[in-house]
Amino acid sequence: DAGVIQSPRHEVTEMGQEVTLRCKPISGHDYLFWYRQTMMRGLELLIYFNNNVPIDDSGMPEDRFSAKMPNASFSTLKIQPSEPRDSAVYFCASSYRYSPLHFGNGTRLTVT
Amino acid sequence: QQQVKQSPQSLIVQKGGIPIINCAYENTAFDYFPWYQQFPGKGPALLIAIRPDVSEKKEGRFTISFNKSAKQFSLHIMDSQPGDSATYFCAASSNFNKFYFGSGTKLNVKP
Repeated sequence: DAGVIQSPRHEVTEMGQEVTLRCKPISGHDYLFWYRQTMMRGLELLIYFNNNVPIDDSGMPEDRFSAKMPNASFSTLKIQPSEPRDSAVYFCASSYRYSPLHFGNGTRLTVT
Repeated sequence: QQQVKQSPQSLIVQKGGIPIINCAYENTAFDYFPWYQQFPGKGPALLIAIRPDVSEKKEGRFTISFNKSAKQFSLHIMDSQPGDSATYFCAASSNFNKFYFGSGTKLNVKP
């Protein structure tokens, strides 16, 4: 079991650019979560999917953020256009029904 | 509104000490309370978890104490080691859907 795989590990981009973060959940898991971690706000839930369908996106900060899950083994989180305040570590996590979350190692995003 | 409140923000103990991290919640629908451990550059990893039908759970040197009436739960680390130095997060969930995390406690165990 390779665990949850996120790419890239680090992303540095300039303000206004589009950023795409990628996630491969653990095979067989039917829930996928995107979290953002900052010193000020801790771990914030952005959006989660069940069986590839977005269930709750109330944590997505604004329309610049979007997430998709085209199939059970892949999800993306896109920020367009990016802003310096989007700088954070973004985590993807997956789980099977009635089981705890398994996190990836995150993508550290820096927007200059 | 923060669903899970965690304290302290940071903690320093000597090797062999027993650090205690506390969490409180309001939503009585929560029915699963995990603790996660995070090392720098890594994602949080499940450490131990408890359901509200028990008051205590032990796994190795880690113990969760749960007080349902007070809506509080805590993590105790027995015989703490420098390798336990990490950030610890409590969390709560209802029916394993949305997981709400505490703000984290940075633990430093001095040799």
